[in-house]
Amino acid sequence: QVQLVQSGSELKKPGASVKVSCKASGYTFTGYAMNWVRQAPGQGLEWMGWINTNTGNPTYAQGFTGRFVFSLDTSVSTAYLQISGLKAEDTAVYYCARVSSFNNWFDPWGQGTLVTVSS
Amino acid sequence: DIVMTQSPDSLAVSLGERATINCKSSQSVLDSSNNNNYLAWYQQKPGQPPKLLIYWASIRESGVPDRFSGSGSGTDFTLTISSLQAEDVAVYYCQQYYSSPITFGQGTRLENK
Repeated sequence: QVQLVQSGSELKKPGASVKVSCKASGYTFTGYAMNWVRQAPGQGLEWMGWINTNTGNPTYAQGFTGRFVFSLDTSVSTAYLQISGLKAEDTAVYYCARVSSFNNWFDPWGQGTLVTVSS
Repeated sequence: DIVMTQSPDSLAVSLGERATINCKSSQSVLDSSNNNNYLAWYQQKPGQPPKLLIYWASIRESGVPDRFSGSGSGTDFTLTISSLQAEDVAVYYCQQYYSSPITFGQGTRLENK
C-alpha cells in the first residue's frame, strides 16, 4: 500500500541543523509531488511548500525561505526537509504529504516528525 | 493568499446527534471551467497525522463512513457528521487547493457532550 515513513524525533540546540526524511513506498516516487506541512504544538496546519519529485525543483511558501531546504534521493524514494539555524519557534511536528492522483489534496501523510529546539 | 476561516472553533455534540462544521474562503475556490470546488476536509486525532475525508468539496474518500458528508460551493462549505460516534472526536480542517499557497482553516475541535 502507499505509505510514507518519516524519521524519528529530534532534539536540537538553537543554531543547529536538522534533516528530516520521508521514505515513500507502494508507488512510483517520481510520479507525485511531495509537500511539507508544519504543525506547531497545539496549533493548526501550515503548508511549507512542495518539491517536484521528477525535476527536484522546490517551491517554498512565504515564511519558509532561506533556512528551509527540500531535497530528494530518488534512488531510495526519499524526500528530505533540512532546517538550518534552528530557533525555538521551529519546534513543531513536520509532516510530509503526497498529492493525490488527481489534484492537490494530500493523501497519504507521513506519521510526522517532532523537532524540538531547546538549549 | 486565500484565507480559510472555520466556524465554530470548537463544538460539543452528543453521541448520535448531528455535527456541522463550516468553512469559508476569502475567495471563490470554484473553477467554473470544470465546476469543481477545490476544497478538502481532513480529520486529525491526537498524535496522528491528518486523514483525508472529503475532496472536491463533496466526494467522500474511499473507506470514509457515509455519516460524513461535504457540501457547499464557491466560498461557503460545510462538513456534516450525521450521527456522531465516539471515534469521530477529533480536530477537523478544511483546505483549499485552488491556488498557491495551499491554505488550511484554523481547525474545529469536535468533542462529545
